[in-house]
Amino acid sequence: SYELTQPPSVSVSPGQTARITCSGDALPKQYAFWYQQKAGQAPVLVIYKDSERSSGIPERFSGSSSGTTVTLTISGVQAEDEADYYCQSTDISGTYRVFGGGTKLTVL
Amino acid sequence: EVQLVESGGGLVEPGGSLRLSCAASGFTFTNAWMNWVRQAPGKGLEWVGRIRSQDKGGRADYAASVKGRFTISRDDSKNTLFLEMNSLKDEDTAVYYCTTDPDYCGGGVCYSGLDFWGQGALVTVSS
Repeated sequence: SYELTQPPSVSVSPGQTARITCSGDALPKQYAFWYQQKAGQAPVLVIYKDSERSSGIPERFSGSSSGTTVTLTISGVQAEDEADYYCQSTDISGTYRVFGGGTKLTVL
Repeated sequence: EVQLVESGGGLVEPGGSLRLSCAASGFTFTNAWMNWVRQAPGKGLEWVGRIRSQDKGGRADYAASVKGRFTISRDDSKNTLFLEMNSLKDEDTAVYYCTTDPDYCGGGVCYSGLDFWGQGALVTVSS
């Protein structure tokens, strides 16, 4: 079955830039979506269609795509950005959605 | 105001069955492609399955881990989504969320970036 691969954890200091990657063979053909999940809460969509920022999401969040890897970038990280981040996409046929394993962002 | 309200969660023995419901309001449910997503305790998000809008065939697709045991259906007259779960296993224990698909076309309109989630329904499979 299709898989998306994320690093388990990323750590940055406040004000620095955090980059979270997600790799998958179908990503050149299928859009990626990024979700933020804080402890005890439902996920929130932060980026859709690789690079579109969702309504109400701060400008410091951005997304990009290059080949089989998509990247969520958080510029000027703030303490409130500490959360789990998940990428989501579909297999090459567009039929089956899949989530990456998630990346825990720690703000030092 | 958009609302997705889930019900039907609870404790069930291994091999048992349970049906979750998700009542939708505040958006055009008839056009929506809807997903079920689950999260086991302390684990990541797992896609369970998705159902298309009726005008796109109404087909449901499933993750390999639940195919043949779970069935997704919808009643557009009642703006309600269902997840029928049979032959439940310990590893099906999770919080189950209903959610709109983030990218779909239904009813002649295409939607991108929609992000509506239910509050989650806890399903515990244990003897």
